[in-house]
Amino acid sequence: DAGVIQSPRHEVTEMGQEVTLRCKPISGHDYLFWYRQTMMRGLELLIYFNNNVPIDDSGMPEDRFSAKMPNASFSTLKIQPSEPRDSAVYFCASKQGAANIQYFGAGTRLSVL
Amino acid sequence: TQLLEQSPQFLSIQEGENLTVYCNSSSVFSSLQWYRQEPGEGPVLLVTVVTGGEVKKLKRLTFQFGDARKDSSLHITAAQPGDTGLYLCAAYTGGFKTIFGAGTRLFVKA
Repeated sequence: DAGVIQSPRHEVTEMGQEVTLRCKPISGHDYLFWYRQTMMRGLELLIYFNNNVPIDDSGMPEDRFSAKMPNASFSTLKIQPSEPRDSAVYFCASKQGAANIQYFGAGTRLSVL
Repeated sequence: TQLLEQSPQFLSIQEGENLTVYCNSSSVFSSLQWYRQEPGEGPVLLVTVVTGGEVKKLKRLTFQFGDARKDSSLHITAAQPGDTGLYLCAAYTGGFKTIFGAGTRLFVKA
């Protein structure tokens, strides 16, 4: 298996623009997680899905952030409009079943100028 | 608010030295995990400890869960440059929500 695949690896955009980050989980995994990592706040859970349904989005910072999972093999995290403080590395992770063994993608490094 | 505090924040040592990093909390957890993250990559799970007092070994790495299940330590024997990375501890807080410590950044010089 190729692991969790995220795209793009790097994104540079200007303040106010819409940004869409993409994630393909490991085939057969029924949980998908979106995290954000910054030097100041470390690694924070934004939202997670189970069987494509959002279960907990309490970590989403504000309404500018939205996440979808239209099917078992694809999820997006959208920021609209983006702000410089959104600059961070965004990770997607997936896992299967009850065991808490999460597999992380390589991340998307977002820079908002 | 449940927090995981890691210490030290940064550690730079020579190859062959031993080291211990710590993960502490005021909360009790059913389990704790340790991840290693290399530059430009996502975290990779090293181990999960679930029983108070448990000790697990992974080659030169020894992980211990405190008796009260509030803290954990990671000891590396004879560190090698390949051990360089960010070491994160993590714990479930309910459902499948996971919190992470801020990490210990380890640099092992050849």
